[in-house]
Amino acid sequence: AAGVIQSPRHLIKEKRETATLKCYPIPRHDTVYWYQQGPGQDPQFLISFYEKMQSDKGSIPDRFSAQQFSDYHSELNMSSLELGDSALYFCASSLGRLAAQETQYFGPGTRLLVL
Amino acid sequence: EDQVTQSPEALRLQEGESSSLNCSYTVSGLRGLFWYRQDPGKGPEFLFTLYSAGEEKEKERLKATLTKKESFLHITAPKPEDSATYLCAVQGGGQNFVFGPGTRLSVLP
Repeated sequence: AAGVIQSPRHLIKEKRETATLKCYPIPRHDTVYWYQQGPGQDPQFLISFYEKMQSDKGSIPDRFSAQQFSDYHSELNMSSLELGDSALYFCASSLGRLAAQETQYFGPGTRLLVL
Repeated sequence: EDQVTQSPEALRLQEGESSSLNCSYTVSGLRGLFWYRQDPGKGPEFLFTLYSAGEEKEKERLKATLTKKESFLHITAPKPEDSATYLCAVQGGGQNFVFGPGTRLSVLP
């Protein structure tokens, strides 16, 4: 079965640079979520989109922005990168916003290292 | 504020030694409780969704149960390949997922 696709899988950036992470949800899934997971920590919710509109906002820094496109893929844009931004970034997708459909399926993650 | 705690933080079992992992939660208006398995450097892999107290779900050696305050993930006769971090997450009325810190399970051959 098709899964969530994330690219790139690994990314190395310098401080103050920008980065763009991409997420392609499971086909027919219309909701996308972004999470940040630091070493040894649980995933922290950043932001989510439903039907191309921002639906919920978590602990996303002002330096980050995201959007969902007409084909439902999503991009997380990160500017003025800091050392503390080094983490695994996961995207998850779900089908709709009804209770029975909200199970989130996670992608393999993008490992970002800021030097 | 929705909160999730998990215990124990880490658990070492011998192969075949059954045990249970605990997930305690406080949430306003539970929409769902989710169990995931995560291997190092990989994305969380979905295991179960539970929606109401009394509900139980099983998959191979795993069984998840739910009460109004906590969920248990029972592992029967575990194998070394069951070694992973097991994450519990809840979704309340606010709709965001809140993850617990996870339980690191090691199953020794």
